[in-house]
Amino acid sequence: AQTVTQSQPEMSVQEAETVTLSCTYDTSESNYYLFWYKQPPSRQMILVIRQEAYKQQNATENRFSVNFQKAAKSFSLKISDSQLGDTAMYFCAFYTSGTYKYIFGTGTRLKVLA
Amino acid sequence: NAGVTQTPKFQVLKTGQSMTLQCAQDMNHEYMSWYRQDPGMGLRLIHYSVGAGITDQGEVPNGYNVSRSTTEDFPLRLLSAAPSQTSVYFCASSYLDRYSTYEQYFGPGTRLTVT
Repeated sequence: AQTVTQSQPEMSVQEAETVTLSCTYDTSESNYYLFWYKQPPSRQMILVIRQEAYKQQNATENRFSVNFQKAAKSFSLKISDSQLGDTAMYFCAFYTSGTYKYIFGTGTRLKVLA
Repeated sequence: NAGVTQTPKFQVLKTGQSMTLQCAQDMNHEYMSWYRQDPGMGLRLIHYSVGAGITDQGEVPNGYNVSRSTTEDFPLRLLSAAPSQTSVYFCASSYLDRYSTYEQYFGPGTRLTVT
């Protein structure tokens, strides 16, 4: 069975600094998709970044980038130049088309401090 | 496009009552799903559907029913509400092709309290 683990329940970072959120997963599949979702206090789930397992290049979206280590089954999210609006819960998620099921981690609550 | 819509946004039920959470999407997505979010547990999959007339169970299906009579709608039914079903419920949808990278679009959520 696939699992997703986020080992940091809470983190904080100073505004303009860089922070890295950790995510590890377990699967026997070779092709899958990984996601980071952001959930601000409004409760809306927002896609931050995605990574296809067959692509070796790490995905980037503006200030957000990932460090995808397929052999280690690790998918960390780096937020550069942190902003107050980045304060949110962040979820790592995994999907493989063979199962039609998305698996989410338990989340990391990030607080950006002024 | 309205995206994924959910109604109601808030609901209070008494133990034993039944109700239906509504979910609709206007993006012609094949895949639709329901999750519950509980503190410290992330999002857990309740039921999902890969097309009209096709549904299947997720991780925590007990106490919930779904149906998919149209591509657009995917209601979640609580047959006899229990306090353990107090949670925030999210509906989500996506295309089922790798070119979309399977990105899910989420509704705004429903906060359900069962007393």
